[in-house]
Amino acid sequence: SQELEQSPQSLIVQEGKNLTINCTSSKTLYGLYWYKQKYGEGLIFLMMLQKGGEEKSHEKITAKLDEKKQQSSLHITASQPSHAGIYLCGADMWGDDKIIFGKGTRLHILP
Amino acid sequence: SAVISQKPSRDICQRGTSLTIQCQVDSQVTMMFWYRQQPGQSLTLIATANQGSEATYESGFVIDKFPISRPNLTFSTLTVSNMSPEDSSIYLCSASWTEESYEQYFGPGTRLTVT
Repeated sequence: SQELEQSPQSLIVQEGKNLTINCTSSKTLYGLYWYKQKYGEGLIFLMMLQKGGEEKSHEKITAKLDEKKQQSSLHITASQPSHAGIYLCGADMWGDDKIIFGKGTRLHILP
Repeated sequence: SAVISQKPSRDICQRGTSLTIQCQVDSQVTMMFWYRQQPGQSLTLIATANQGSEATYESGFVIDKFPISRPNLTFSTLTVSNMSPEDSSIYLCSASWTEESYEQYFGPGTRLTVT
C-alpha cells in the first residue's frame, strides 16, 4: 500500500534555531496536508498544498511542495517552545478518496 | 474555524464491552471521518461516515466491529464493539467542508484503554 515517508522521526532543536521536516511519496500527490498534533488537542490543520512548486507560510512556518508533487518540506524559522509537538503530513493521491498519513515527526524545542 | 468536539475524551473499558464515541461539529459539514491512532503509529482511516446511509469502511475494518452512525450533517458516532486490548488507541473524528479537497479538521480525540 502507498505510504508517506516522513523524516526525521524525531527532532530536538535549540530554541531560536531553524528546522526542516520532510515528507516524501513515491506517487504523485493530488493534495498535501500538514498537521500539528499536541497531546489532548487533536490535530491542528496547518496548510494544504496542491500545485507543483507551491509554497505557503503561516507565521514562522513555511511549507513547500516540489514541482513533481512528490515531496514536501515544512520549515520552521526561529523555533519557539510553542512549536513543539508532532507534525504529520497527509496526502491524497489521484483516484483515491481518502488521505493517508505519514508516521509523524516528534519535535522537541530546548529552552 | 469550526469547533469539533468528542465525547468521552478518555475511557478505560473492560474486555468484551462496547463503547460509543460521539463527534459533534458546530456547523454542517460535507464529510465526516473516523480515524484510529494506535500507540506510536500514524493515523489510520477507519471509515467515512455518510449522512443517511451506511458508512464506507476501509480495508481491515468492518461494520460489526465499528458500527458508525451519522443521523445528520453535524453529528456522528463510532462504536467500538466487543473490545479487546488491541483496540486501545486514540480515536479521532474529522470533518471536511469541501468535496474538492481533503482539507480536514479534527476533534480532540478519545483515548481508549481496554483492560
